[in-house]
Amino acid sequence: GAVVSQHPSRVICKSGTSVKIECRSLDFQATTMFWYRQFPKQSLMLMATSNEGSKATYEQGVEKDKFLINHASLTLSTLTVTSAHPEDSSFYICSLNRGKTQYFGPGTRLLVL
Amino acid sequence: TQLLEQSPQFLSIQEGENLTVYCNSSSVFSSLQWYRQEPGEGPVLLVTVVTGGEVKKLKRLTFQFGDARKDSSLHITAAQPGDTGLYLCAGARSGGGADGLTFGKGTHLIIQP
Repeated sequence: GAVVSQHPSRVICKSGTSVKIECRSLDFQATTMFWYRQFPKQSLMLMATSNEGSKATYEQGVEKDKFLINHASLTLSTLTVTSAHPEDSSFYICSLNRGKTQYFGPGTRLLVL
Repeated sequence: TQLLEQSPQFLSIQEGENLTVYCNSSSVFSSLQWYRQEPGEGPVLLVTVVTGGEVKKLKRLTFQFGDARKDSSLHITAAQPGDTGLYLCAGARSGGGADGLTFGKGTHLIIQP
C-alpha cells in the first residue's frame, strides 16, 4: 500500500500568491523527508531535506525564503511556495526513507498563471 | 556534486526485443535504486541494490550493481508494450537514510507492439 501521500494532487494559482503542499507519512514516523521538483520531460531534482523539529537543509540554488518547509510532526512536512511565479510551475514530489529505500508520494502538479 | 549519467535517454524498440539501460558515475554510492514513473505520478520503486556485484531479478527485469558501486544496469528481456514508461536510476549518498537521492536523467522507453 501507499507509504506517502500528498495534498493537493493539483493546484492552479495566480502569480504572486502562495501555495502550500502537504506530505504525509502514512504508517511510519519520519524524522526526515525530502522535497523534489520535476519539470516536464526532465528527471527529479532534490530541493531540500525536511528535518522534524529543526530547519530544513536546502540544495544549492534553491531559495529557502521562497520555498518554505515546515516539518512540525513525525508524519507531516509542508512545502509552501511563496509569491509563486509561472516559472515555479512544476511537479513537486516528496519522499521519505525506510531503511535503504526511498518511497515517493504521488506528486503535486502546480500551475501558476 | 555526485552525478549519475543515465543512457540512453530515449529508446523505442519492438515488442519481444531485449534492452539494457545504463547508469554510470565517477562516485561511489551506498545504494542505488531503480524507479519507474508514469506521467503525472510519483516514481514507484522497482529495486534497491546495495552490495557491489549484486544482481537482482524481477520477472523479466534484471538489475546489476557494479563491483565498485559506481554503476548499475537494468536489462529487460522480451520487452512488452506494458514496459513502456520512464525509468529512473537514483543513488544514495550515504547509507544512513539522511540524504536525498541523486537521480539520473531518466530513460524514456517505448515498446511498440
